[in-house]
Amino acid sequence: NSKVIQTPRYLVKGQGQKAKMRCIPEKGHPVVFWYQQNKNNEFKFLINFQNQEVLQQIDMTEKRFSAECPSNSPCSLEIQSSEAGDSALYLCASSLSDRGGTGQLYFGEGSKLTVL
Amino acid sequence: GEQVEQRPPHLSVREGDSAVIICTYTDPNSYYFFWYKQEPGAGLQLLMKVFSSTEINEGQGFTVLLNKKDKQLSLNLTAAHPGDSAVYFCAVSSYGSSGNKLIFGIGTLLSVKP
Repeated sequence: NSKVIQTPRYLVKGQGQKAKMRCIPEKGHPVVFWYQQNKNNEFKFLINFQNQEVLQQIDMTEKRFSAECPSNSPCSLEIQSSEAGDSALYLCASSLSDRGGTGQLYFGEGSKLTVL
Repeated sequence: GEQVEQRPPHLSVREGDSAVIICTYTDPNSYYFFWYKQEPGAGLQLLMKVFSSTEINEGQGFTVLLNKKDKQLSLNLTAAHPGDSAVYFCAVSSYGSSGNKLIFGIGTLLSVKP
């Protein structure tokens, strides 16, 4: 059973609406990743954090998404203004490390976003 | 950039048959390899992680082979059963890349018929 908890499992938004997803990483894991899995099973890396600091993010995330991992609170990923192309499964993963063999990623069940 | 090709995209076998999924990667610096299983509506379940120092890895009911010369990673389910029906993904991580981003294959939808 996944120890990375993602909420909500499903969300439906209209175009232009905000969409917010949350993730509680596995206990003791300082590194958190967000991936987008589209209907064609393509995975797109969005952003990762070590503790509260952003390690890397892609352009799309920088422009239209906001993400944070505050201490003692769930991590979150928010799309400021949803577009139809954002419909996807958003997967959160946590890891002990951001590189190397110890950096095995543990994935949550995902939040499935549908933008109408 | 790094690429991972996975085949076949769909695979249908009978219960008890073997099933083989192959991934080919391009980055010679790839060092860590993973196989994930995704059941409908679920997240990714790690089946096995493989380091480049080990060529043959055995799990419960499957074997993972790493051929570094040909840059190929394969998953072999030795006697498939209906509970194995799922989408399988390989993922490759390159040592020394900035951060531990994984490059995923496109997935293989495995159907195991009774």
